[in-house]
Amino acid sequence: QVQIQQWGAGRLKPSETLSLTCAVFGGSFSGYFWGWVRQPPEKGLEWIGEINPSEATNYNPSLKSRVTMSVDTSKNQFSLKVTSVTAADTAVYYCARRFPAGNGGGYYMDVWGKGTTVTVSS
Amino acid sequence: QSALTQPPSVSGSPGQSVIISCTGTSSDVGGYDYVSWYQQHPDKAPKLMIYDVSKRPSGVPDRFSGSKSGNTASLTISGLQAEDEADYYCFSYAGSYTLVFGGGTKVTVL
Repeated sequence: QVQIQQWGAGRLKPSETLSLTCAVFGGSFSGYFWGWVRQPPEKGLEWIGEINPSEATNYNPSLKSRVTMSVDTSKNQFSLKVTSVTAADTAVYYCARRFPAGNGGGYYMDVWGKGTTVTVSS
Repeated sequence: QSALTQPPSVSGSPGQSVIISCTGTSSDVGGYDYVSWYQQHPDKAPKLMIYDVSKRPSGVPDRFSGSKSGNTASLTISGLQAEDEADYYCFSYAGSYTLVFGGGTKVTVL
């Protein structure tokens, strides 16, 4: 059974860089995209973007200028960086496995990490 | 890329059915059969409930069903139970390898 563990700094000051990592256990790392989703306090989910083991990336256009994703296939890990954070980046950040598109279906997230709370405050 | 439109809340008594709508455009919901639905209980990670518009993952009760007509997808919960009280989000492919969530709907079991 695939499991995802995530970690990273939980408290940042404005203008700093957010950095989070997820590790995948118990299943295949290849053949999937690995995505990031965030949820500000008392608000809905926002798709941030995704990366596959070949380092192909897809980003939310509204965040693209500040987001970088990377992958380490030797460790089955993938990471998120968001630069120049502000209070608006305060959220719970989730990583998840995105099922590949094909055979008429796909583009859904079927395995999720537990979430990491990131607070941006001076 | 705008969030898909969901009603903020719906409610029903135990045993009743509720329907949650998710309205987009021909560029997202209406253009592809790539709509999925997630259930989220407080302080928990989202859980996949429906994928590819109407398919249920293993372990999800058949009380949950999905459909789509034009630019609007729907999640139906039949035989509402207390544990179904949660937030629900739709999610769709939006073209150009981007994805978008709905604003979320709070389901209350009266």
